[in-house]
Amino acid sequence: QQQVKQSPQSLIVQKGGISIINCAYENTAFDYFPWYQQFPGKGPALLIAIRPDVSEKKEGRFTISFNKSAKQFSLHIMDSQPGDSATYFCAALGNQGGKLIFGQGTELSVKP
Amino acid sequence: GAGVSQTPSNKVTEKGKYVELRCDPISGHTALYWYRQSLGQGPEFLIYFQGTGAADDSGLPNDRFFAVRPEGSVSTLKIQRTERGDSAVYLCASSRTGGPNQPQHFGDGTRLSIL
Repeated sequence: QQQVKQSPQSLIVQKGGISIINCAYENTAFDYFPWYQQFPGKGPALLIAIRPDVSEKKEGRFTISFNKSAKQFSLHIMDSQPGDSATYFCAALGNQGGKLIFGQGTELSVKP
Repeated sequence: GAGVSQTPSNKVTEKGKYVELRCDPISGHTALYWYRQSLGQGPEFLIYFQGTGAADDSGLPNDRFFAVRPEGSVSTLKIQRTERGDSAVYLCASSRTGGPNQPQHFGDGTRLSIL
């Protein structure tokens, strides 16, 4: 019940294409859902986050779509660039704060 | 500093030795978190401090692991009698408070290798 399931494990996209990464959760006490981007040798960097009271949030080329009834959320990267090549993690935080529960990660490769 | 700072960036030691990993959070952040990341996996929670006290230590794997934050700022993660399975990247994060909807900001981690 504490898990966050992420897919796909890896993704290859052509430059200019749309990258889509999906996550699903079970625990309805989760109410904050951030996405992190991680480059090799670096820590996870916060990319964008959403709360379940909105269905979509957009920041630049990055959009989170949220389906509360299905307990699923996804990250869309529009106009993907080679510099977006990294590992992406979804995560969930409970309504009391505290620990983040991370998905397993998606290794994205954007081909020029 | 501007971000979360972790030292050392790399630590290599022999099985059975004691290690200390340090985390300096973003100035003014009252909440501090330790996570462990194995190769190809997402970070896994270890312990969370609110101020000087451990608010949740449910992720510590066993009693060889201990963490302190004596003045509510810098934290040290301590591992006794290290084992090869302890090899991982140890990440520290901080947030302004430990409450809901608080973004956690991560350091670049300490890569620990136990030979």
